Amino acid sequence: QSALTQPASVSGSPGQSITISCTGTSSDVGGYNYVSWYQQHPGKAPKLMIYDVTKRPSGVSNRFSGSKSGNTASLTISGLQAEDEADYYCSSYTSSSTWVFGGGTKLTVL
Amino acid sequence: EVQLVESGGGLVQPGGSLRLSCAASGFTFSSYAMYWVRQAPGKGLEWVSGISGGGGSTYYADSVKGRFTISRDNSRNTLDLQMNSLRAEDTAVYYCAKGFGITVAYNIDYWGQGTLVTVSS
Repeated sequence: QSALTQPASVSGSPGQSITISCTGTSSDVGGYNYVSWYQQHPGKAPKLMIYDVTKRPSGVSNRFSGSKSGNTASLTISGLQAEDEADYYCSSYTSSSTWVFGGGTKLTVL
Repeated sequence: EVQLVESGGGLVQPGGSLRLSCAASGFTFSSYAMYWVRQAPGKGLEWVSGISGGGGSTYYADSVKGRFTISRDNSRNTLDLQMNSLRAEDTAVYYCAKGFGITVAYNIDYWGQGTLVTVSS
């Protein structure tokens, strides 16, 4: 149950696009289309942004999108806004019927 | 509106026990898998345990297997986590979370606000 691999930090200017990667194995990310992305602001509970690799819950901006290729999933945020500054975590279902999270990525909006 | 309210956190000595509870409302509790996820101070999220909607299937992270027990009472809409043989590394905010569907193969869609567990002498 090793954590999924995410970059520790990414940054971008308002209006730009950024992509956060999430790398696992064929036993998790690569084996299932059950990848989620969560946004967490300091001191707050996580919020679901993307589920089932590409789906957006109602109420989440269409600036957020997800994709997957092989063992790596990605979250793209377009038209960066100051309010997007937060920590982002990916999560995947695993062959052990458990879930595993990534280490988290701190997004800084410059 | 989905609401998940955790309780039971606090300070406990190493080797001690603690029982966390989560009161759920705003949805048909028995139709959804439920989870516990924790976050150590300044660290990332760690999946701890999951239970199916009917309660018949339970799953644990290797780090807590044999020490923690997840359970649910669908008549009272409550989720529990019994934590035994606690260690310093179990210190974290523990979140109760709801799944999209009845089995644990579904993503988490709602989270509670968390309850802090501190293991220290």
